[in-house]
Amino acid sequence: AAGVIQSPRHLIKEKRETATLKCYPIPRHDTVYWYQQGPGQDPQFLISFYEKMQSDKGSIPDRFSAQQFSDYHSELNMSSLELGDSALYFCASSLSTSGGLSEQFFGPGTRLTVL
Amino acid sequence: QKEVEQDPGPLSVPEGAIVSLNCTYSNSAFQYFMWYRQYSRKGPELLMYTYSSGNKEDGRFTAQVDKSSKYISLFIRDSQPSDSATYLCAMSATSGGTSYGKLTFGQGTILTVHP
Repeated sequence: AAGVIQSPRHLIKEKRETATLKCYPIPRHDTVYWYQQGPGQDPQFLISFYEKMQSDKGSIPDRFSAQQFSDYHSELNMSSLELGDSALYFCASSLSTSGGLSEQFFGPGTRLTVL
Repeated sequence: QKEVEQDPGPLSVPEGAIVSLNCTYSNSAFQYFMWYRQYSRKGPELLMYTYSSGNKEDGRFTAQVDKSSKYISLFIRDSQPSDSATYLCAMSATSGGTSYGKLTFGQGTILTVHP
């Protein structure tokens, strides 16, 4: 079965540079979530999109922006990178339902290292 | 104080042991309670979820939710070396549906089951 695809899997950047992370949700899934997981930390919700519109926002720095495109893939853009941005970034996708839990399926993550 | 607290462990048990993992939470709005398993360098994978209070059993796994105490548990019977992973509890105020479905995670418990 198709899974959530994230690219790149690993990214190394210098301080103050920019980075773009991409997420391709499971086909027909209409909702995308972004989470940040620091070393030894739990995943923290950043932002989500439903049908290409931002649906919720968490602790996402102003230096970060994201969007969901017409083909439902999503990109997380990160500017003025700081050392503290080094983390594993997960994308998850789900299919909205009228009842019951909309299970979030997680991608393998992008490991961002800021030097 | 974090909304969801989970003992990070690590927890090391012999094969065949019963494992108990627990989380407490403070947000009364949480309705969906999930347990994710995360292997090293992989994204979290949903193990089980429970809506509101009660028990749910799936094979060797049992999830319990006590909303009055704001306490959830995951029990693993006859633990196997393949169960070695990080276990994350996660909670959501809604099903996800077409509304807010962001997950709030605990810190994760590192479990090692040795032969």
